[in-house]
Amino acid sequence: NAGVTQTPKFQVLKTGQSMTLQCAQDMNHNSMYWYRQDPGMGLRLIYYSASEGTTDKGEVPNGYNVSRLNKREFSLRLESAAPSQTSVYFCASSALRTEIPYGYTFGSGTRLTVV
Amino acid sequence: EDQVTQSPEALRLQEGESSSLNCSYTVSGLRGLFWYRQDPGKGPEFLFTLYSAGEEKEKERLKATLTKKESFLHITAPKPEDSATYLCAVQRETSGSRLTFGEGTQLTVNP
Repeated sequence: NAGVTQTPKFQVLKTGQSMTLQCAQDMNHNSMYWYRQDPGMGLRLIYYSASEGTTDKGEVPNGYNVSRLNKREFSLRLESAAPSQTSVYFCASSALRTEIPYGYTFGSGTRLTVV
Repeated sequence: EDQVTQSPEALRLQEGESSSLNCSYTVSGLRGLFWYRQDPGKGPEFLFTLYSAGEEKEKERLKATLTKKESFLHITAPKPEDSATYLCAVQRETSGSRLTFGEGTQLTVNP
């Protein structure tokens, strides 16, 4: 089972460059998320998509944009990378169940360094 | 604003030495509390969901419990393969499926 697949796994960008992080899930999940993980700050939500066709800002959306391309794919774009965006980025997905909490399935992460 | 605080930040145990990790939370209307395990270089892996105070769940050497203010992850007779970072997260009733995570506890079990 592939689960949640993220590409690339590693990336080095120069300040001002742009890039798109790709995420795809094969579990027929409705909801998808982008988090960043920094030492001492835990996982922080950047953007999420509750269902296909919708996207919403999370806790730290500045400097990022997202696209929910279809039910399977949710991409994160950095238009003009800054050193403060050096982080590990995780994509996750979950079933949409409004009454019952449900665990996320995470990808293996993208380690991004902006120099 | 939802808050999740985990303690200790790091914990070193000898193999077989039982202990507990703490997750204190402040949330208006808890829908669920989640525990995840994260190995170095990997994404978090789902362990448990707890829904209400008094609930307990077990998986191998791990047992998670929940009160109205905190959750504990008890590790009984740990083995080196239990070494990982353990993350706690909360879901509020009005936040849809979004989770708020704590910073995690890094557990090292020495043989």
